[in-house]
Amino acid sequence: QKEVEQNSGPLSVPEGAIASLNCTYSDRGSQSFFWYRQYSGKSPELIMFIYSNGDKEDGRFTAQLNKASQYVSLLIRDSQPSDSATYLCAAGRGGGNKLTFGTGTQLKVEL
Amino acid sequence: GAVVSQHPSRVICKSGTSVKIECRSLDFQATTMFWYRQFPKQSLMLMATSNEGSKATYEQGVEKDKFLINHASLTLSTLTVTSAHPEDSSFYICSARDREGGHYNEQFFGPGTRLTVL
Repeated sequence: QKEVEQNSGPLSVPEGAIASLNCTYSDRGSQSFFWYRQYSGKSPELIMFIYSNGDKEDGRFTAQLNKASQYVSLLIRDSQPSDSATYLCAAGRGGGNKLTFGTGTQLKVEL
Repeated sequence: GAVVSQHPSRVICKSGTSVKIECRSLDFQATTMFWYRQFPKQSLMLMATSNEGSKATYEQGVEKDKFLINHASLTLSTLTVTSAHPEDSSFYICSARDREGGHYNEQFFGPGTRLTVL
């Protein structure tokens, strides 16, 4: 079992729709969770992080965390073609330790 | 803030040569930097964790004598690929954690170095 699992996709959504990206993790000691966006040929860019159960909103992005279910999600509202990228979910135990990354979900926002 | 640079961005070398990649945190101090490798259409693979002033911690299966890491200051870590071979061709990415970043250990990535070994 992979420590952080994501559906590889591609996930296709029409422009203006809500894109929902999901991630599960196996390490119950994980305390912080991150979403990164990676465009083809580029390095990952941090979108947001979350560490408390519930929702965290930042602009068009909402991260959701459910520690009981070991589940993290990222919602992108009003999806734009520029959101087309691979989204990486990562989990960390805290204290400067390494992050464990999922394999990423490819999102395609279609006109 | 939280800008990480890498140099060079792209390098092409002959088989058997050594290549040094620099990773710098430009506007913050990083006690810990991480080196990743990414092959086409695959996810990030952590190679090693680099701590300022101490030896790097390598992930299982990564040869420490082939991938030399030096983290001599709070803003600079280097990765040297020694005696590079075509199978070492990959996208090498570093990340850094802000020393003052607190508990949540978010990492900020450099732009990456694309290595091609002929």
